[in-house]
Amino acid sequence: AQSVTQLDSQVPVFEEAPVELRCNYSSSVSVYLFWYVQYPNQGLQLLLKYLSGSTLVKGINGFEAEFNKSQTSFHLRKPSVHISDTAEYFCAVLLYNQGGKLIFGQGTELSVKP
Amino acid sequence: DAGVIQSPRHEVTEMGQEVTLRCKPISGHNSLFWYRQTMMRGLELLIYFNNNVPIDDSGMPEDRFSAKMPNASFSTLKIQPSEPRDSAVYFCASSLGKGNTGELFFGEGSRLTVL
Repeated sequence: AQSVTQLDSQVPVFEEAPVELRCNYSSSVSVYLFWYVQYPNQGLQLLLKYLSGSTLVKGINGFEAEFNKSQTSFHLRKPSVHISDTAEYFCAVLLYNQGGKLIFGQGTELSVKP
Repeated sequence: DAGVIQSPRHEVTEMGQEVTLRCKPISGHNSLFWYRQTMMRGLELLIYFNNNVPIDDSGMPEDRFSAKMPNASFSTLKIQPSEPRDSAVYFCASSLGKGNTGELFFGEGSRLTVL
């Protein structure tokens, strides 16, 4: 069975500090990988995605993620966070043969403090 | 584009009542998904449709839940009878069906409270 594990439920960080949100997945087949962001009282928005090619993927708002096949990880990073980055972040996987079924992790709440 | 439109945004009802949540996907999208979000269980996929046909409803909690997609521009999620444990935010999302690479577009959600 496939699954997504986000290793931290909450990450507090000060403004302008770097941040890494961790995500590991398990799957016996090839996957596509995603990070979504959810601001308070809103739906989820796509932050970035890995489909193939370069393992370093850049997304919106200065975020990037690196796909590591050997470690089955897809950690999200930002070198300097802003107050406005406070939100919940979800890692997700899409199985090649599942017709669009996206499996989400439990989410990581990023709290940026001044 | 107007995005995915859900209604109502908020619903408060009493246990035993019927609840109907509605969704209008983005025009041209062939796949539609219903998710439920709670603090305890996170985001759960309830059901998804491709070209108006239910593909996987294994996430539907029980027979009290039903979903329909009568045409490409409308879907409903119905709970009858509702129970307090159904309180959650219900999200509808849509995506391109053919060639879908997983980018889902979410509505703003319907927050359901069952008293």
